[in-house]
Amino acid sequence: KAGVTQTPRYLIKTRGQQVTLSCSPISGHRSVSWYQQTPGQGLQFLFEYFSETQRNKGNFPGRFSGRQFSNSRSEMNVSTLELGDSALYLCASSTQGAGTEAFFGQGTRLTVV
Amino acid sequence: AQSVAQPEDQVNVAEGNPLTVKCTYSVSGNPYLFWYVQYPNRGLQFLLKYITGDNLVKGSYGFEAEFNKSQTSFHLKKPSALVSDSALYFCAVRDNAGNMLTFGGGTRLMVKP
Repeated sequence: KAGVTQTPRYLIKTRGQQVTLSCSPISGHRSVSWYQQTPGQGLQFLFEYFSETQRNKGNFPGRFSGRQFSNSRSEMNVSTLELGDSALYLCASSTQGAGTEAFFGQGTRLTVV
Repeated sequence: AQSVAQPEDQVNVAEGNPLTVKCTYSVSGNPYLFWYVQYPNRGLQFLLKYITGDNLVKGSYGFEAEFNKSQTSFHLKKPSALVSDSALYFCAVRDNAGNMLTFGGGTRLMVKP
């Protein structure tokens, strides 16, 4: 079974631009979550989607948005990029249930210059 | 709100010695607890989880974790450390309503030959 696939792996953008990151979950997984990882802040939860509906949202500004498609693939978008948005963005997928573990992709390393 | 604390930023241990990485949590109701490991420039890999039952949980690569309800702890352990265990370790909790995973700040494990 293929794992969680995130594209692209690396991205360099300029301040003020916008960016879209993509995540393909494990087949059969309907829950997709996004996290931002930075050296100073650790792993910060962005949002979670389940069956195309946003189920949970972290404490990030409205510049960060996401969506999920009917095939469970998910995208996240960051508009008006700031230098502080430079981070590793991780996507995780899981089946439904509180006791189910999440499986992570390798991440997209975003650098804002 | 749920939270996880990993009190040590770094743990140093000699190869062959036992290791412990500490984690305490706060959550409403019964906790679902997870340990993940992250190698450089990679996503998180699932190690083990506690849902219910035996307080000692065994996972991948010889790791185990002990759930202690009274101390709200879920420490990760391994009887004999390997240099290849050197990585970043994250503890996470989810409540029984199935809300998002909340991660601790991570602990860097350094195993010296």
